[in-house]
Amino acid sequence: DADVTQTPRNRITKTGKRIMLECSQTKGHDRMYWYRQDPGLGLRLIYYSFDVKDINKGEISDGYSVSRQAQAKFSLSLESAIPNQTALYFCATSDSSGQIASPEQYFGPGTRLTVT
Amino acid sequence: AQSVSQHNHHVILSEAASLELGCNYSYGGTVNLFWYVQYPGQHLQLLLKYFSGDPLVKGIKGFEAEFIKSKFSFNLRKPSVQWSDTAEYFCAVSGYSTLTFGKGTMLLVSP
Repeated sequence: DADVTQTPRNRITKTGKRIMLECSQTKGHDRMYWYRQDPGLGLRLIYYSFDVKDINKGEISDGYSVSRQAQAKFSLSLESAIPNQTALYFCATSDSSGQIASPEQYFGPGTRLTVT
Repeated sequence: AQSVSQHNHHVILSEAASLELGCNYSYGGTVNLFWYVQYPGQHLQLLLKYFSGDPLVKGIKGFEAEFIKSKFSFNLRKPSVQWSDTAEYFCAVSGYSTLTFGKGTMLLVSP
C-alpha cells in the first residue's frame, strides 16, 4: 500500500552497528506497529504505538527500540545489530476511530535487513 | 493471550483445484479474525475479515472464510485456484489491541 512507506527497502550492515528503519504513513491513522517476518515463523510484533505518547513492547522487543516522532512517523532502531536480527521488517498502521477495537492493519512494503 | 495455528505449512495444488486452508485460534474474549495474503516479493494485503454477523465471509479474488465459533476455526476457501494465487497466506486474530499471526501457509499453484 503506497500510503505506508518504509526506508530503506534493503540494508546490509555489520554486527555491532546501529541502524534505524523508518516508517511513514499518509493514511491519517493513529496506531502504528513494527513486525519482523522470518521464514516459517510468520510475523511477530516488536513494538506498537497507539499515539505519539504511547509506546508498547510486543512479543519480541529485546534488542530493539522505537521512536514515534509524529503521528505519521514511527522508527525502529537496532542499537547494536546482531546476525539473528536478519529478517524482513514490516511497518503497519490501523485506525482506532471506528467502533471495532482492533481494526485491520495496513502494511508497508517491508525492509529486508541483513546483518553480517 | 491469543494464539493462532495454521494447519499446513506448504500446499501444492493444480490450477482449478479447490482450496481449503485451516486456521484455529485461541482467545478467551470476542475475536476479530483476518486472512492476509503475501504475493512473492510484496507486502501483506488483506483478503477478508470477520468482526461479527454472518459467519461466512467473502473477500477479494473469490476467497471466502467461515467462522465456526464452536471449533475456534476460521478456514479459508476458494472453489477453483489460479496460478496467480501462488502466495503465502496468514491467518490472524485480534483481541483488544494487537494482531497475532499464524506462521503462514505457502500455497504453490501449478499451471
